[in-house]
Amino acid sequence: GQQVMQIPQYQHVQEGEDFTTYCNSSTTLSNIQWYKQRPGGHPVFLIQLVKSGEVKKQKRLTFQFGEAKKNSSLHITATQTTDVGTYFCAASFPGYDMRFGAGTRLTVKP
Amino acid sequence: EPEVTQTPSHQVTQMGQEVILRCVPISNHLYFYWYRQILGQKVEFLVSFYNNEISEKSEIFDDQFSVERPDGSNFTLKIRSTKLEDSAMYFCASKPRSLSTYEQYFGPGTRLTVT
Repeated sequence: GQQVMQIPQYQHVQEGEDFTTYCNSSTTLSNIQWYKQRPGGHPVFLIQLVKSGEVKKQKRLTFQFGEAKKNSSLHITATQTTDVGTYFCAASFPGYDMRFGAGTRLTVKP
Repeated sequence: EPEVTQTPSHQVTQMGQEVILRCVPISNHLYFYWYRQILGQKVEFLVSFYNNEISEKSEIFDDQFSVERPDGSNFTLKIRSTKLEDSAMYFCASKPRSLSTYEQYFGPGTRLTVT
């Protein structure tokens, strides 16, 4: 079935360090979305990428969509304790609805 | 701000019993979804629903599961004869009318515990 691989599974950083999570697909995606889930919460939409090579920024967060539309990354600059949570990519394959990656759980040590 | 609501927040049931999880999507949304998240694991797609019918379902969504939109507001997930491995958080989500808007809005979830 349609799957998107997300790495790493866990990332523990010191506050102020950067963080990156990656999603990869073997097939071309229609679009990719990123969600954040705080501990005990539900996924909350962050961003959507549609165009090849697209880069979007939200304050300290930078989202990229690969040129081939098969991979994406989320980079957080200078992490803060409020960044704690699990970050999921959610990929849409042509003809199919969204499939979530396994998520990267980010913990931040103050 | 409009939001997706789900009831109950926590449901405990015995193995073999039927449960119905309820969701009220955002009122002008037309696409509805159910997802499952086993504790500590990823969010798994179960089913999507549009125009009063299932538009897509995953391999998880077998004959044990069914969805229904009994009226203009509710969207339900029924699990017949629950199994221990059905214990999970179940999220409902909805998407706006526009096909160009892919963002899904998630409800707070129902935690299902099967004993």
